[in-house]
Amino acid sequence: LAKTTQPISMDSYEGQEVNITCSHNNIATNDYITWYQQFPSQGPRFIIQGYKTKVTNEVASLFIPADRKSSTLSLPRVSLSDTAVYYCLVGDRVKAAGNKLTFGGGTRVLVKP
Amino acid sequence: DAGVTQSPTHLIKTRGQQVTLRCSPKSGHDTVSWYQQALGQGPQFIFQYYEEEERQRGNFPDRFSGHQFPNYSSELNVNALLLGDSALYLCASSLAASQLADTQYFGPGTRLTVL
Repeated sequence: LAKTTQPISMDSYEGQEVNITCSHNNIATNDYITWYQQFPSQGPRFIIQGYKTKVTNEVASLFIPADRKSSTLSLPRVSLSDTAVYYCLVGDRVKAAGNKLTFGGGTRVLVKP
Repeated sequence: DAGVTQSPTHLIKTRGQQVTLRCSPKSGHDTVSWYQQALGQGPQFIFQYYEEEERQRGNFPDRFSGHQFPNYSSELNVNALLLGDSALYLCASSLAASQLADTQYFGPGTRLTVL
């Protein structure tokens, strides 16, 4: 599985855009990039997944350059409730529901008032 | 529609004891995975159960064992507890036939403290 590297922590303020970049230099052709969010004392929650270019949903946007060696999760206009740990995962999307998930250390995002 | 539920919420044990944690998957899901999350770290995969059999296993000793019942619920058993087993134990359920990553759902976890 491709190893991922992301910043340990980031601070932001309410209303700002938060961008978290994840490096995955050894990503394979079949690999997708998936981001999870975890609040304290809760299990991780799926945010967004993509293969290339840009993906947007109601929660976030995911930007993936052509070489796919990195990806950026963008959280628009964050609020205090967006304070959480964000994990970048890379893995084969085939039978993804049955895949074991390999988590790194994640990025702790603190949103300040 | 209930999501993934886990019991108990918290548990305190002493070294050498045995513990059983329980998980009920989201309605319609048939696959259960267990993860261990130490404080300040990401979840680590323990094993996965499908059709009442262990399908995949992570790098955990045999002290960690599990079971899946016909109703798809699952148990995680840990024998001879060590201080290092203190962690949040997460259960995730999914539907084996699905090919979408967003169909993996996590429960709130069981916080195990070993004294």
